[in-house]
Amino acid sequence: SQTIHQWPATLVQPVGSPLSLECTVEGTSNPNLYWYRQAAGRGLQLLFYSVGIGQISSEVPQNLSASRPQDRQFILSSKKLLLSDSGFYLCAWSVRISGANVLTFGAGSRLTVL
Amino acid sequence: GESVGLHLPTLSVQEGDNSIINCAYSNSASDYFIWYKQESGKGPQFIIDIRSNMDKRQGQRVTVLLNKTVKHLSLQIAATQPGDSAVYFCAEVATFDRGSTLGRLYFGRGTQLTVWP
Repeated sequence: SQTIHQWPATLVQPVGSPLSLECTVEGTSNPNLYWYRQAAGRGLQLLFYSVGIGQISSEVPQNLSASRPQDRQFILSSKKLLLSDSGFYLCAWSVRISGANVLTFGAGSRLTVL
Repeated sequence: GESVGLHLPTLSVQEGDNSIINCAYSNSASDYFIWYKQESGKGPQFIIDIRSNMDKRQGQRVTVLLNKTVKHLSLQIAATQPGDSAVYFCAEVATFDRGSTLGRLYFGRGTQLTVWP
């Protein structure tokens, strides 16, 4: 069965520090991978998606970047965090089968920037 | 761009009652919708999906209704239980991903469902 892991689960970082959130998927090959951010009491905003190794697309202008060094690894990074980067970051994967496309989410990483 | 929103941010129901959570969308070309449940501090979990060639789909204790004329979705939960307390999101699959292997989801703001005894 497929599983998705995110770490760290929680992170408190000072403004201006770097960030690295990691996501790995097991039990599937060549998944589409996604990073979403959820601000407190809000919906999920799509930040990045990837259809393959080294292929990254950004949905919104932002202070963050993403990378996919391996088929089942997706990393969210920042060189210098801003206060506005605080939020709940969710990684998801999908594989389109028979026209259906359901995103499966990880447990999330809660980032607080102080 | 895609726009999915919800009518009410909170809903409180008594245990055993039926719950109805509503969602409106703006893109008349949207043809695939998904409902997710998110418990506090966790990632969203898939509940049920529906395509635009259907106006109703049933799962275990849940029913999704789609009214394309008014661009409205609803999620009905029968015999609501305390474990149903969560935030519920409707999500719309990006129409520009139709026919590709990618299926970006765009989410509404969410409705907080609280079940009291």
